[in-house]
Amino acid sequence: GAVVSQHPSWVICKSGTSVKIECRSLDFQATTMFWYRQFPKQSLMLMATSNEGSKATYEQGVEKDKFLINHASLTLSTLTVTSAHPEDSSFYICSAHTRERTTDTQYFGPGTRLTVL
Amino acid sequence: KQEVTQIPAALSVPEGENLVLNCSFTDSAIYNLQWFRQDPGKGLTSLLLIQSSQREQTSGRLNASLDKSSGRSTLYIAASQPGDSATYLCAVVNYGQNFVFGPGTRLSVLP
Repeated sequence: GAVVSQHPSWVICKSGTSVKIECRSLDFQATTMFWYRQFPKQSLMLMATSNEGSKATYEQGVEKDKFLINHASLTLSTLTVTSAHPEDSSFYICSAHTRERTTDTQYFGPGTRLTVL
Repeated sequence: KQEVTQIPAALSVPEGENLVLNCSFTDSAIYNLQWFRQDPGKGLTSLLLIQSSQREQTSGRLNASLDKSSGRSTLYIAASQPGDSATYLCAVVNYGQNFVFGPGTRLSVLP
């Protein structure tokens, strides 16, 4: 089946630094990628929708200047957490959307655990 | 705005029991519904996907039903095993293709 990778799988950084997370669709082209985050003991919440070649659409309450999303190609989207703070510590998961014949399908990445000290 | 709820929040059962996890959603205009399993500290494992035109899907000991008009789905797990212990997430997919997740049911199957 289709595979979506995320890199890194985990990262620990100091407060104030920026962290970049990559989401790649390995064997298909994804016109749309979605970014979710999951705080401890909570469910996944959609952060933003990323379309190739255009600006991302952010959900209410998600700061677009803090969470920079770039979808420069059909197989890669990046999420940069700028000036990270401890409250940004979370599990970040991407999903990539593709259309197979007439069916829309999404595949999730394995997630990236961010810990900000 | 679509909202997804799951009942119960947590469940602890002895091995071998059959169990039912419930999911409700507020907007019936969904593209499909999917059940996932999430182990602690891990990503998502897709269990079953039900298209909006379908009423149920089965995979091994798992059976998921969908009643779109009433906004409900159930996940039935037969003959539960300790390896089934995990958090089970219900998610509806809107026509915009984004997922709306429920809060999950934490299942513990005791040997």
